[in-house]
Amino acid sequence: DGGITQSPKYLFRKEGQNVTLSCEQNLNHDAMYWYRQDPGQGLRLIYYSQIVNDFQKGDIAEGYSVSREKKESFPLTVTSAQKNPTAFYLCASREGGRNTGELFFGEGSRLTVL
Amino acid sequence: KQEVTQIPAALSVPEGENLVLNCSFTDSAIYNLQWFRQDPGKGLTSLLLIQSSQREQTSGRLNASLDKSSGRSTLYIAASQPGDSATYLCAVKTQGAQKLVFGQGTRLTINP
Repeated sequence: DGGITQSPKYLFRKEGQNVTLSCEQNLNHDAMYWYRQDPGQGLRLIYYSQIVNDFQKGDIAEGYSVSREKKESFPLTVTSAQKNPTAFYLCASREGGRNTGELFFGEGSRLTVL
Repeated sequence: KQEVTQIPAALSVPEGENLVLNCSFTDSAIYNLQWFRQDPGKGLTSLLLIQSSQREQTSGRLNASLDKSSGRSTLYIAASQPGDSATYLCAVKTQGAQKLVFGQGTRLTINP
């Protein structure tokens, strides 16, 4: 089955630690996205990548980093510089080169800072 | 700057009713509009994608319409069931923009 796999589903972090969230897709999509979802704030874009080895900051990139070394993988690192990292993180992908493409999401990763 | 609004924030209806969810956007120069469903603690599931050249799309009991000139889309759910209970979000892809803009969602509860 084609889809987007996010791991881990739940993650706990102590303050001052970096953590990396995994996102893998086998849809052969060029574009991949990371969103953050907080109660009452909707979805906010963290980073996106339109093609391998290239990525751009979204609306709330501070305290986060990404890489796109392979087409199918787009990991997100939440660094210690992120002041309020507790949130639900969603990865998405879309066919590249087509602005009209449908967006698909993974099941999400919930990060809690202790 | 594109803004997307979904009103009401929450809606509760008895099972079997037909219902309409609303999505409004401020910039009519869009590529497409997409409707999603989100269950608690889960990711978003794509329901329908309407391209800017289309007026409506249908999938089973769902029908989404698009009126660019008025900046509105509606999601019609026929013969609602308890399993339809979820949060429904719309998202707009604006021409010249790289990213989708999401509404805050409507939390729908279908009462048996």
